[in-house]
Amino acid sequence: EIVMTQSPATLSVSPGERATLSCRASQSITSSLAWYQQRPGQAPRLLIYGASIRATGIPARFSGSGSGTEFTLTISSLQSEDFALYYCHHYNNWPYTFGQGTKLEI
Amino acid sequence: EVQLVQSGAEVKKPGESLKISCKCSGYSFTNYWIGWVRQVPGKGLEWLGIFYPSDSDARYSPSFQGQVTMSADRSITTAYLQWSSLKASDTAMYYCARMGSAGDSWGQGTLVTVSS
Repeated sequence: EIVMTQSPATLSVSPGERATLSCRASQSITSSLAWYQQRPGQAPRLLIYGASIRATGIPARFSGSGSGTEFTLTISSLQSEDFALYYCHHYNNWPYTFGQGTKLEI
Repeated sequence: EVQLVQSGAEVKKPGESLKISCKCSGYSFTNYWIGWVRQVPGKGLEWLGIFYPSDSDARYSPSFQGQVTMSADRSITTAYLQWSSLKASDTAMYYCARMGSAGDSWGQGTLVTVSS
């Protein structure tokens, strides 16, 4: 089973600033990496798949990069609605796994 | 519009059985895997398994193998997750997701509470 490790666990930033979230896989997953946002009381929402492809309707301030074992989610200018939990997920092979999450807080 | 609508919250006792549902619409049900994800209150997301309605191919995460069963009824485009004997540790929110480009559409979640 591939272990996904996210860092940091909590990231404190201010609105308008840039946030950079990291995700590392325990072995290569090529570009089979997705990022989700989860707001309190809501289901996860797909932001990025294929490591760098924005899902339908996702604002351009969200971008993903990386391949192999190292991945990054960047939010270029934080809006109030972006303060939430973020999870990475590999789907390179079964079993899929999630990272433990990064909480983005003010 | 792709929609996944899950059944309502459940309160059960340990040892009871349960089947929750995920009604899918707006796309070809048999062309996509359905994933099931667990979220214990205050904790992260965990994959239980994925299911392919076209041929009933089911893959379970090692931690959940033998603990749950996935199925689907193609005639009503609905996926199911069931337990034969619930435990208190099964208390969690359960989500279904269409596995298109990763989990591209999600149900609203079904809260399962198991308590004596």
